Amino acid sequence: KAGVTQTPRYLIKTRGQQVTLSCSPISGHRSVSWYQQTPGQGLQFLFEYFSETQRNKGNFPGRFSGRQFSNSRSEMNVSTLELGDSALYLCASSGTGGRGAFFGQGTRLTVV
Amino acid sequence: ILNVEQSPQSLHVQEGDSTNFTCSFPSSNFYALHWYRWETAKSPEALFVMTLNGDEKKKGRISATLNTKEGYSYLYIKGSQPEDSATYLCALNNNAGNMLTFGGGTRLMVKP
Repeated sequence: KAGVTQTPRYLIKTRGQQVTLSCSPISGHRSVSWYQQTPGQGLQFLFEYFSETQRNKGNFPGRFSGRQFSNSRSEMNVSTLELGDSALYLCASSGTGGRGAFFGQGTRLTVV
Repeated sequence: ILNVEQSPQSLHVQEGDSTNFTCSFPSSNFYALHWYRWETAKSPEALFVMTLNGDEKKKGRISATLNTKEGYSYLYIKGSQPEDSATYLCALNNNAGNMLTFGGGTRLMVKP
């Protein structure tokens, strides 16, 4: 079974630009969550999508948004990038059965 | 805002030593506690998902216990090996969705 796939792996953007990150969950998983990891903050929850609907949302500004498609793939968008958005963005997929969340390798975003 | 705390922040042990770390969390609104191992340049790997007070789980040389009444979980590693070197994260899930609130992690370094 293929794992969680995130693309791209690395990205460099300029302040003010926008960026879209993609996550393909494990086949059969309907829940996709996004996390941001920065050196000082650890892993912070952004949002969770389940069956194309946002089910939970963290404390991030409205510049951070996401969506989920009917095949459970999810995208995360950050508009008007700031230097502080430089981080590792991790996606996690979850199925039923309480086995927890399975993470992708992340997208490393650098804003210059 | 949930506060999940892990201690110690980092730990250096010799190969063969046994070690343990602590995860503390608010005991109210508990749903599940997750432990992850995160090696550099890899995805966080799920170790355990624990839901019941008094739960004990084991995977090879690694085991974990859970006390939901007092709000803590211990992770034990017996006979540490260099390949156990990683950051160990605990995360609290306090609702039926998949939103995880992570602790800051314990970075373990095992010297051969």
